[in-house]
Amino acid sequence: GENVEQHPSTLSVQEGDSAVIKCTYSDSASNYFPWYKQELGKGPQLIIDIRSNVGEKKDQRIAVTLNKTAKHFSLHITETQPEDSAVYFCAAMTTYSGAGSYQLTFGKGTKLSVIP
Amino acid sequence: EAGVVQSPRYKIIEKKQPVAFWCNPISGHNTLYWYLQNLGQGPELLIRYENEEAVDDSQLPKDRFSAERLKGVDSTLKIQPAELGDSAVYLCASSLLTGTGELFFGEGSRLTVL
Repeated sequence: GENVEQHPSTLSVQEGDSAVIKCTYSDSASNYFPWYKQELGKGPQLIIDIRSNVGEKKDQRIAVTLNKTAKHFSLHITETQPEDSAVYFCAAMTTYSGAGSYQLTFGKGTKLSVIP
Repeated sequence: EAGVVQSPRYKIIEKKQPVAFWCNPISGHNTLYWYLQNLGQGPELLIRYENEEAVDDSQLPKDRFSAERLKGVDSTLKIQPAELGDSAVYLCASSLLTGTGELFFGEGSRLTVL
C-alpha cells in the first residue's frame, strides 16, 4: 500500500517568514495530493491540492509543488501569520479504479508555530 | 451549507463498555468515510461507503468494530467492547463522489477509554 513520509514533524518560524513542509510517497499510481490544516479540537480542513498532471499550484500565500519522478511534493507558506499556526497534513490518493484506490493516506503531520 | 456533523464530540467510557458515534454528511455527498486519528498521528481509514454500500472495510477491526449507513445518508460507527487502545479521535468525512479526492471532515468524536 501507499506510504507517505512527512518532514519536519515540528516547525517554528518568525511571523512574516516562509515555511516549507515536504512529503514523499511510495506508490507511483497516486495522482492526487491534498494538504490539510488541522487546528486544535477541529477536523482537518483542505487548504490546497494538486493533481499529477500539474507541477505547481498557488493560492494567495500558499503553494504546492509536485515532482512525480522523485515522488515528492511540498507545501510553501509565504508571509506567515500567527493564524497559520496549526498541524498540517499531506496526503496521497489514487483516483482511478484498482486495488487500493480512493484511499487517502496521510503523513504524520507537521506542527507549525508562527512566532509573533 | 452545513458541514459534516458528528456526535458526540466527547465520550468517556470504561473498558469493555460499548460506544457509538454518529455522522451526518454534507447533503448530496454519496461517499462517506470513517477515519481513526491517534494522538500525534495522521488520520487512518477505517471504512468507506459509497451510498449505503461499504466498499472498503479492509482496515476495520471487525471483531469489535461495526458500522452502518442506512439509506445512504447518516452513518453510525460502533465499538463493542471498547479497549484501552481505542482511545482516539474518530473522524467522519464525506465527498461528493468517489474519485474526486476532495474530502470534507467533521470535527471528530474524541473517545477516552478508562
